[in-house]
Amino acid sequence: GAGVSQSPSNKVTEKGKDVELRCDPISGHTALYWYRQRLGQGLEFLIYFQGNSAPDKSGLPSDRFSAERTGESVSTLTIQRTQQEDSAVYLCASSLYLVGYEQYFGPGTRLTVT
Amino acid sequence: AQKVTQAQTEISVVEKEDVTLDCVYETRDTTYYLFWYKQPPSGELVFLIRRNSFDEQNEISGRYSWNFQKSTSSFNFTITASQVVDSAVYFCALTGAPNTGNQFYFGTGTSLTVIP
Repeated sequence: GAGVSQSPSNKVTEKGKDVELRCDPISGHTALYWYRQRLGQGLEFLIYFQGNSAPDKSGLPSDRFSAERTGESVSTLTIQRTQQEDSAVYLCASSLYLVGYEQYFGPGTRLTVT
Repeated sequence: AQKVTQAQTEISVVEKEDVTLDCVYETRDTTYYLFWYKQPPSGELVFLIRRNSFDEQNEISGRYSWNFQKSTSSFNFTITASQVVDSAVYFCALTGAPNTGNQFYFGTGTSLTVIP
């Protein structure tokens, strides 16, 4: 079956512009996660969605970052007034809502802020 | 606190050598799950294995094997007879209940280079 897909694969934007990143999870996966990975670094948790529950936003680094998810489908991560330090790969992962079930990752969106 | 430590930042081995990647974890949960992921140069993280805290049996899958030891809070990963295609960054991760909820805690990764 289809895996997690993300778009765009690459995004170059000017400092101060807003960007929107999209994630399509695996069908049937009710849990969805966003991570940020800076060059050569590990994964930084941003936000977690589970069904219609309130999202866990504890990892969002600033109020310039927000995310939405419609039901159990597509999610969008929005970064407003981008800064150069926002340059990173943004990874999306989905999972069944079972404690301990593995996450499946998308290919990521490489964001470059110039 | 929930934490995963991968002390080895980079490892280089010559092809056909065996290599072990270390993972040490901290958790308050009595039920927890450990994972290994591979991130090849192409960038997409690939799930390799999941173990739960009640199953300490070692697991072998082809050239890969995993050694889970609760006594030392470790979940080490060994690649036997390494190949160039094993070159990647490997991440160890932890989740569990009830303290971690559904959040995953990743280590900082170990970059493995297999030299032909």
